[in-house]
Amino acid sequence: AQSVAQPEDQVNVAEGNPLTVKCTYSVSGNPYLFWYVQYPNRGLQFLLKYITGDNLVKGSYGFEAEFNKSQTSFHLKKPSALVSDSALYFCAVRFQTGANNLFFGTGTRLTVIP
Amino acid sequence: DAMVIQNPRYQVTQFGKPVTLSCSQTLNHNVMYWYQQKSSQAPKLLFHYYDKDFNNEADTPDNFQSRRPNTSFCFLDIRSPGLGDAAMYLCATSRRPGQGREQYFGPGTRLTVT
Repeated sequence: AQSVAQPEDQVNVAEGNPLTVKCTYSVSGNPYLFWYVQYPNRGLQFLLKYITGDNLVKGSYGFEAEFNKSQTSFHLKKPSALVSDSALYFCAVRFQTGANNLFFGTGTRLTVIP
Repeated sequence: DAMVIQNPRYQVTQFGKPVTLSCSQTLNHNVMYWYQQKSSQAPKLLFHYYDKDFNNEADTPDNFQSRRPNTSFCFLDIRSPGLGDAAMYLCATSRRPGQGREQYFGPGTRLTVT
């Protein structure tokens, strides 16, 4: 079955430290991968996406993500966390063989501790 | 600024009383989506319009309907809300249903059913 998973419900990191939010997927064929961020009582905000090409994708607010085909992962990273990065992060995948549906992971709540 | 707007941001309705949520966009995108997001869960696609073509997800209850009178507006109608329909409802748009295209989300409408 095709799916996307975020294995960690919660990630805590100290301000200034690097952060990683994990995402793995299971799919036959090549996926399109996305990261979105959601602040409290707000809609989802697009951060970055991987379609093809360079495995390292740079996005908004200093975030980046690395597509790893052998590990079927698309982890979100940032070299130095800010308190304002605290939010709910969703990984999403759209499968090439599928329709328009974006399949979201269950989300990871990131807390950056001052 | 081009954006996706949802009104109202908070809606309270009574059990069984029809309610309509509104979404408008200034992005001139072809596709408009409605998602349901329950607390601490991933957004779940209910349906989408590609121009005037309506696409319902297989597991969307009949209680949920949608209308798109023109490119800019899309409505979500809940004919007889139940307590289980309390959720955040997110509207999103994309330029075309290409697999690599990101979606742009509105701020959401939080629905409470009493």
